[in-house]
Amino acid sequence: DIVVIQSPLSLPVTPGEPASISCRSSQSLLASNGYNYLDWYLQKPGQSPQLLIYLGSDRASGVPDRFSGSGSGTDFTLKITRVEAEDVGVYYCMQTLQLPLTFGGGTKVEIK
Amino acid sequence: QVQLVQSGAEVKEPGASVRVSCKASGYTFTSHDINWVRQATGQGLEWMGWMNPKTGNTGSTQKFQGRLTLTRDTSISTVYMELRSLRSEDTAVYFCARGRESTITTTAFEHWGQGTRVTVSS
Repeated sequence: DIVVIQSPLSLPVTPGEPASISCRSSQSLLASNGYNYLDWYLQKPGQSPQLLIYLGSDRASGVPDRFSGSGSGTDFTLKITRVEAEDVGVYYCMQTLQLPLTFGGGTKVEIK
Repeated sequence: QVQLVQSGAEVKEPGASVRVSCKASGYTFTSHDINWVRQATGQGLEWMGWMNPKTGNTGSTQKFQGRLTLTRDTSISTVYMELRSLRSEDTAVYFCARGRESTITTTAFEHWGQGTRVTVSS
């Protein structure tokens, strides 16, 4: 199975400041079609997860442009340019290159 | 709009089975796989398996093989997840999820059910 490791575990942030989360996989997620099969989700308290970024860097419908995804192969990053209070929750990355699909352990983002 | 509506909370004794339903609406039911993801209390997300509603084909992570059965009823656009031989570690919220419209990836889960809490306790 592909192992996905996120860091940090916890991320206290100041509204208006940038934030960054890292995701690393045990195998390259770059497929022969040139796409990286790595998605990012945010799970707000008490809610179902919501898709933020798919294929490494494509923003899902309705996701604010302050969220961006980058990286290739085994190293990926989710960046928030200016954190807002509504961005608190747990962020997960998930590899979808190979079954079984596997999630990172999550990064809890909270306001300082 | 796409909706996935799951059945209500369940409380089961160890050794029992549970069946959770996921009713889809707002799109052609047979055009997208349905996946199942669970989350133990205070824990992360864990992918369990998938079903193709058109063909009935399924797959699951090895951890659940032998205990997990995914079925569907196309007449009512519903997928079922049955987990048998329940133990306390199966206490979790179970989600169904569907991928976005895409020819590149079918597993970017743009649509989620509201979750079903399953409690396993004697």
